[in-house]
Amino acid sequence: DQQVKQNSPSLSVQEGRISILNCDYTNSMFDYFLWYKKYPAEGPTFLISISSIKDKNEDGRFTVFLNKSAKHLSLHIVPSQPGDSAVYFCAARAQGAQKLVFGQGTRLTINP
Amino acid sequence: GAGVSQSPSNKVTEKGKDVELRCDPISGHTALYWYRQSLGQGLEFLIYFQGNSAPDKSGLPSDRFSAERTGGSVSTLTIQRTQQEDSAVYLCASSPDNNYGYTFGSGTRLTVV
Repeated sequence: DQQVKQNSPSLSVQEGRISILNCDYTNSMFDYFLWYKKYPAEGPTFLISISSIKDKNEDGRFTVFLNKSAKHLSLHIVPSQPGDSAVYFCAARAQGAQKLVFGQGTRLTINP
Repeated sequence: GAGVSQSPSNKVTEKGKDVELRCDPISGHTALYWYRQSLGQGLEFLIYFQGNSAPDKSGLPSDRFSAERTGGSVSTLTIQRTQQEDSAVYLCASSPDNNYGYTFGSGTRLTVV
């Protein structure tokens, strides 16, 4: 039962363009969403988050959008840079819970 | 240390042997989590410790898996009678109480041959 799904295992984007990573969820009890970035041989690092009371959160080049009715969130990176090449994980937390539920990840490659 | 420390970084073991994976969380973090990432898969929750409360073991895949956290700090994940499907990267994370952000360690890559 995959409650958080990232249907694109990989994405390739040209440097300077916008990268859009998508995530869908099924559990309506999720009220907090996060994106993590993972380089090879390292643990995931926190990137950006959004509460269910908002529909957008922006931090520099990174913006997360949340569409609760569609149970969908996306991460926009603009402009994309070579250092953004990594695996990106979407994660969600249910109201009152502590543990995070992660998606399968999307490998983003930024081409020069 | 400043971050979450995991050891060993790599472990190769023969099928049927027991292994112990160690996690040293950030000092003062009361919550500690174990996840694993199998090849081509997402991060799978295993177990969660919060202070002195009983751990949430709902993610442990079988009774061959167990974990303990001594003194509210270091945690050990033990896998008994390892199987090839146990091969994965085992990730530990910690967070302050009631904080939504995890800090992950670099993981232990376990290979069962």
